[in-house]
Amino acid sequence: GQNIDQPTEMTATEGAIVQINCTYQTSGFNGLFWYQQHAGEAPTFLSYNVLDGLEEKGRFSSFLSRSKGYSYLLLKELQMKDSASYLCAVRGDMRFGAGTRLTVKP
Amino acid sequence: GAVVSQHPSWVICKSGTSVKIECRSLDFQATTMFWYRQFPKQSLMLMATSNEGSKATYEQGVEKDKFLINHASLTLSTLTVTSAHPEDSSFYICSARDGRDVENIQYFGAGTRLSVL
Repeated sequence: GQNIDQPTEMTATEGAIVQINCTYQTSGFNGLFWYQQHAGEAPTFLSYNVLDGLEEKGRFSSFLSRSKGYSYLLLKELQMKDSASYLCAVRGDMRFGAGTRLTVKP
Repeated sequence: GAVVSQHPSWVICKSGTSVKIECRSLDFQATTMFWYRQFPKQSLMLMATSNEGSKATYEQGVEKDKFLINHASLTLSTLTVTSAHPEDSSFYICSARDGRDVENIQYFGAGTRLSVL
C-alpha cells in the first residue's frame, strides 16, 4: 500500500511563487504524478517524475527525491487561473493524496 | 493527445432507478480503466480498477453489486449504479491508461455529476 501526505490548503498572491510539497511512503516506487483539478472538473495531468531532480515545464516545475520520499510542485508567476487543487499520486495503483487546495489572490 | 470521453456529464434520477455511466478512450486502447468518486471539496476516492476482458477489482468498502463495472472492450468501460439512493449522489470520474505508454499516465474523463432524488 501507499500513504501520501500534502498540505490541505495554501494561499498565495498573483505573480508570486508557491511550492506544494508531497511526501509518500510506498512499498514499491515507479514514479510520481502531479495533477491539477479545478472545482467541478476532472484532473488534468501536469508532470511525471521517476528520477531524482527537477523537471521544468514552463511556469510549472516538479522535483523528486526518491531517498527522502519527497516531491514538490513549484508554480511560478502565479495567475488567478492557477487556483485549483493539486494532487500527487504514486505510479502504480493510482490512489491520490488528499490534494492541496491553492487559492491565488490579487 | 489522449482523450477520454465520459457520458453523461450530468444525470438526475429517482431513488431506486439504475444509472449507467460510459467511459471511452477515443484515440488509444485502454487496457486499464479506473473509476473514482469525489464528494465536494474532497479528494478522489478510487472505487475500482477494471482491466479489459476481466472482472473489476473493487476497493475495500465499495459494493460490487451496487456499482457494476463492465470493461468489455479496449475503448469502453461502464459503471452502473444500481438501485440508486440519495447517498449515491456524487461526482463520478473515470480515467484510462494507454497500454503502450511506459509512463502509465492516466487521462481523465470530464466526470459525471449524479443527483438522486
